[in-house]
Amino acid sequence: GAGVSQSPSNKVTEKGKDVELRCDPISGHTALYWYRQSLGQGLEFLIYFQGNSAPDKSGLPSDRFSAERTGGSVSTLTIQRTQQEDSAVYLCASSSTGFTDTQYFGPGTRLTVL
Amino acid sequence: GNSVTQMEGPVTLSEEAFLTINCTYTATGYPSLFWYVQYPGEGLQLLLKATKADDKGSNKGFEATYRKETTSFHLEKGSVQVSDSAVYFCALSDNTGGFKTIFGAGTRLFVKA
Repeated sequence: GAGVSQSPSNKVTEKGKDVELRCDPISGHTALYWYRQSLGQGLEFLIYFQGNSAPDKSGLPSDRFSAERTGGSVSTLTIQRTQQEDSAVYLCASSSTGFTDTQYFGPGTRLTVL
Repeated sequence: GNSVTQMEGPVTLSEEAFLTINCTYTATGYPSLFWYVQYPGEGLQLLLKATKADDKGSNKGFEATYRKETTSFHLEKGSVQVSDSAVYFCALSDNTGGFKTIFGAGTRLFVKA
């Protein structure tokens, strides 16, 4: 596709439920990032995938968060047993190769935990 | 570890005023530096970048120079427009710590007509 896409655009869930957020990166981009942006805050790094290397999970806030990337393309961020503090906009970005490259961001998924 | 500090907002300017948004960084390696912008209702997008010391990134009238001696990457524009109203994020990435990008907290700019 022309850009990074994310789905759903909005997700409202009840506390304790599991949610899955999807990211489709730009075709051919080997690097994929997940960030969280809380209201009025900056971007919080969550996880980074680069090619076939082991992902950098150092930003995941708890073991309720996990992510996978299948076939080097689509990625899914899963949040188990959601809490109200998980409410935020979850952003996905991809880049063509390394750390000097521009990251292209998706529109985000706004998650609201009631 | 790596970090990015940028000036707190919001910054409110009149149209045609000069803009500076300060950004300083701490890095153990030789980072690349970026400014990203988020316009109201839109996703983040790259504004400009610089990959080595003394490089100047520029785009849409905005400029920033990579200053290694002062560990800074301040964003400037000589004459702002109402359409520049947005949130601006300074960011850093390097080849230590797993290549992840560190973002500043963002600075919201309001430009009045």
